[in-house]
Amino acid sequence: GQQLNQSPQSMFIQEGEDVSMNCTSSSIFNTWLWYKQDPGEGPVLLIALYKAGELTSNGRLTAQFGITRKDSFLNISASIPSDVGIYFCAGFMYSGGGADGLTFGKGTHLIIQP
Amino acid sequence: EAQVTQNPRYLITVTGKKLTVTCSQNMNHEYMSWYRQDPGLGLRQIYYSMNVEVTDKGDVPEGYKVSRKEKRNFPLILESPSPNQTSLYFCASSPGQGAGEQFFGPGTRLTVL
Repeated sequence: GQQLNQSPQSMFIQEGEDVSMNCTSSSIFNTWLWYKQDPGEGPVLLIALYKAGELTSNGRLTAQFGITRKDSFLNISASIPSDVGIYFCAGFMYSGGGADGLTFGKGTHLIIQP
Repeated sequence: EAQVTQNPRYLITVTGKKLTVTCSQNMNHEYMSWYRQDPGLGLRQIYYSMNVEVTDKGDVPEGYKVSRKEKRNFPLILESPSPNQTSLYFCASSPGQGAGEQFFGPGTRLTVL
């Protein structure tokens, strides 16, 4: 199946710092999604991107759909303690053929040091 | 409240004892899916369903069954659980015909002894 490389695997940052993480794919997608998972809960959708080059913000979060359609990044500005969690990218390629699914990256574990 | 619910949230069982994890969504979504999450492996799709009576295998379907008799429900069945099926399971649903923007349930932590 398709492979998504998400990096970094983990980040240790100070409160107030900006965060950047990215995903690259071996093949193209027509949708990129970013999720956050808190301990003991299911992933929650943060941002959805549908168009190559698209830049979308959700509060302190900004994500971009790469021009090549094979990559995406997520930035978090001025991190706060509640940003702690695991962030997943996911790619989707709808072909109408009925065999479509989300491919997930392995996650970036964000840890904020006081 | 729009949501995906799963039951049970926690389950400890023994090898070979059939079990079912239920999943229900109240958003009238067509697409539903099951994932397992394991350390270092991320989220992997087990089965998905694009509509009632339409199901298909995901990346790791071995040892699992599903059914989609009603739009809102998508149970995951383990006919003969084994220890390698110990994992965290998530059900998800999406409004479109494909996977698209999926909404996840709270998860079911399964331990098979």
